[in-house]
Amino acid sequence: EDQVTQSPEALRLQEGESSSLNCSYTVSGLRGLFWYRQDPGKGPEFLFTLYSAGEEKEKERLKATLTKKESFLHITAPKPEDSATYLCAVQYLYGGSQGNLIFGKGTKLSVKP
Amino acid sequence: EPEVTQTPSHQVTQMGQEVILRCVPISNHLYFYWYRQILGQKVEFLVSFYNNEISEKSEIFDDQFSVERPDGSNFTLKIRSTKLEDSAMYFCASSESSNTIYFGEGSWLTVV
Repeated sequence: EDQVTQSPEALRLQEGESSSLNCSYTVSGLRGLFWYRQDPGKGPEFLFTLYSAGEEKEKERLKATLTKKESFLHITAPKPEDSATYLCAVQYLYGGSQGNLIFGKGTKLSVKP
Repeated sequence: EPEVTQTPSHQVTQMGQEVILRCVPISNHLYFYWYRQILGQKVEFLVSFYNNEISEKSEIFDDQFSVERPDGSNFTLKIRSTKLEDSAMYFCASSESSNTIYFGEGSWLTVV
């Protein structure tokens, strides 16, 4: 059973057409929820970490929000250069460790000019 | 901007051979990680390393794998007796605390 589910799997937008990506999680004891951007053949690029329900963070055209069971990545007026796969990952506490990241499958975003 | 550096970017190896993937984490970071991503699949956790020892490892990280911090700057992943199913992109990551984890560009391993 997937602990991190991202939807949609793929999203095609026109330039300027705002939308949201969803990440839902089932782990308990959430330590943090991470958003990354991944370009083809590259490593995940850190965007945000959210820690508690109600928290919001923004970076340029991106805004991430967190509730108790899901997170949204809102993309306002996207540009073609925002095209990438957006990965969500959760980190939870167990056994006193600092917590590894459990990733979702990602949402592949394509923005057409 | 500081970044995690990985070498090689791509390695082709014969089945049964040993491979060492190298990483230079961000200089003031204390936590180090290896993840992998099989083509078309999720990024998966392999191992975390802190204070010169493994702090956590996944089921994937069996006796075939080992990690080492041979000096003050490098962090390596050794894969012994490689198998076809070890073909993947291997990512090194590091963090100052565990709150912001930065990834390298990856080492693409192809086992033939």
